[in-house]
Amino acid sequence: GDSVTQMEGPVTLSEEAFLTINCTYTATGYPSLFWYVQYPGEGLQLLLKATKADDKGSNKGFEATYRKETTSFHLEKGSVQVSDSAVYFCALSFRAAGNKLTFGGGTRVLVKP
Amino acid sequence: NAGVTQTPKFQVLKTGQSMTLQCAQDMNHEYMSWYRQDPGMGLRLIHYSVGAGITDQGEVPNGYNVSRSTTEDFPLRLLSAAPSQTSVYFCASRNGGAGSTDTQYFGPGTRLTVL
Repeated sequence: GDSVTQMEGPVTLSEEAFLTINCTYTATGYPSLFWYVQYPGEGLQLLLKATKADDKGSNKGFEATYRKETTSFHLEKGSVQVSDSAVYFCALSFRAAGNKLTFGGGTRVLVKP
Repeated sequence: NAGVTQTPKFQVLKTGQSMTLQCAQDMNHEYMSWYRQDPGMGLRLIHYSVGAGITDQGEVPNGYNVSRSTTEDFPLRLLSAAPSQTSVYFCASRNGGAGSTDTQYFGPGTRLTVL
């Protein structure tokens, strides 16, 4: 079946550091890809998405590019802030499967001042 | 709009007890779903509904029942709780039917412990 693999955390960074969270997927076909963020004590929020190969999703300084050659959707941010401390989830969905989301295990990011 | 609301926020049950986790949304969304979140496993789909009166199973449906009598509400029932159901439960909703790519909105979660 479909699956999403992302790097295990926690990832600990200093403020203004560069952040990369790797995400790769296994699926038959070309799914839509998502990054969700979960701040402490809250539900998940959509951070960005890409629906076809080579699309770049971006939001709040975060970016991710849909790479079908490497089946990847790595999340990057050039200069993190303490407020970016959260758990980040990579996910995929297929329209033909009712757009049900398949999530990776999540990566906890801690940004220190 | 309140968005997606869930009650209770926390719950402790004994093995064999039953309970209902409540979920409501005020955005007139057709699609609603329940997920459980376990450490290192991300979120896994339990049940979903594409509209009032229509429900279907997700990846991990065993031990859970759902119904959808109104567009707004989608309760999740545990008939006989087991320690393996200790988890954080999230309800989500989005606009459109099964083929929609609209954003899913998540509730704040219910943390359930089964002793």
